[in-house]
Amino acid sequence: DIQMTQSPSSLSASVGDRVTITCRASQTITSYLNWYQQKLGKAPKLLIYSASSLHSGVPSRFSGSGSGTDFTLTISSLQPEDFATYYCQQSYSTPFTFGPGTKVDIK
Amino acid sequence: QVQLVQSGAEVKKPGASVKVSCKASAYMFINYGISWVRQAPGQGLEWMGWISAYNGNTNYAQKLQGRVTMTTDTSTSTAYMELRSLRSDDTAVYYCARVDGYSAGMDVWGKGTTVTVSS
Repeated sequence: DIQMTQSPSSLSASVGDRVTITCRASQTITSYLNWYQQKLGKAPKLLIYSASSLHSGVPSRFSGSGSGTDFTLTISSLQPEDFATYYCQQSYSTPFTFGPGTKVDIK
Repeated sequence: QVQLVQSGAEVKKPGASVKVSCKASAYMFINYGISWVRQAPGQGLEWMGWISAYNGNTNYAQKLQGRVTMTTDTSTSTAYMELRSLRSDDTAVYYCARVDGYSAGMDVWGKGTTVTVSS
């Protein structure tokens, strides 16, 4: 199975900050990397698919990059509604494993 | 709008089975797959498996092989996930999600079904 790691596991940031979350796969997954946002008690939402494609309706302050084994999710200017947990997921080979998540909270 | 509506919360005893439904609307059901993902209390997301609504092909997580069955009913645009021989560590919120055929990203999610396993 492909193992996914994320760093940091949590971070504190202020509104307006630029936030970067990294995700690493244990082997190459080319660009089969998706990012999800989950707020407490809610279902996850797709933000980015195929490493860098913005899902419909997602604000442009979210962006994704990377290929192979190393990926990043960037929020260019953190907004109050962005405080949540973020998960990466590989869809290169089954099982489609998730990273452990990065919790973004208010500084 | 495109949505997935899941069945209600369940409380089961250890050793029992549970079957969760996921009804799709406002899109062509057979053009997408359905994944099932679960989340134990306070934990991260765990991919359980995937089913093609087109031909019923399935792919299950190894750890659940033999205990899980995913099916679809194309006449009602509904997907089902049955988990047998329940244990306390199966207590979780179970989500269904539509799978995009190109990226395999999950672009539409149900609200989740809480399954509690307790004696």
